[in-house]
Amino acid sequence: GAVVSQHPSRVICKSGTSVKIECRSLDFQATTMFWYRQFPKQSLMLMATSNEGSKATYEQGVEKDKFLINHASLTLSTLTVTSAHPEDSSFYICSARTQGAQPQHFGDGTRLSIL
Amino acid sequence: EDKVVQSPLSLVVHEGDTVTLNCSYEVTNFRSLLWYKQEKKAPTFLFMLTSSGIEKKSGRLSSILDKKELFSILNITATQTGDSAVYLCAVELNYGGSQGNLIFGKGTKLSVKP
Repeated sequence: GAVVSQHPSRVICKSGTSVKIECRSLDFQATTMFWYRQFPKQSLMLMATSNEGSKATYEQGVEKDKFLINHASLTLSTLTVTSAHPEDSSFYICSARTQGAQPQHFGDGTRLSIL
Repeated sequence: EDKVVQSPLSLVVHEGDTVTLNCSYEVTNFRSLLWYKQEKKAPTFLFMLTSSGIEKKSGRLSSILDKKELFSILNITATQTGDSAVYLCAVELNYGGSQGNLIFGKGTKLSVKP
């Protein structure tokens, strides 16, 4: 149980392109989803938190107009990196949790490379 | 500033050895402490600890939390090459409601040699 699917696993695209990443909870209702970014040899850094049907809460320093998050249902959240540039290249990971004292479960991540 | 510190940052052992990974934390509003194993992809959940002194076990892995000393350890006995991974410690903050943001440590990279 507690499977989180993230798609795509790898994206390579040109600078200026917008990229959409999907995160789905397959066997539970995710009342809250989280988006992280991980640079090589560094730990996960929280970008934003989203509750179903609400606007996302962004961490300090994360541009909400750059990283658009939509959590339209209890099983799906999307992160759109708008007008991506090479400095946006990174490993993006989503996680999801249900209500109560439950752990976050992570997707397999998306490696984004902007040329 | 909330922080989670793991030690050691890396560790090389031989199969069969027992290892202890450390995690200390300083946070303003503690809710729980979690351990994850990260291989090539995203972290997989190992343990969630909320109370002091209660050991959680799963096979050869076990973990315990000391909320007075703000510290947790993850033990792996009879290590195998498949245990090679980065082990992440994270503290969940209690923001009220259902948010529960995680603050991650930098991880301990464990390499188990045959």
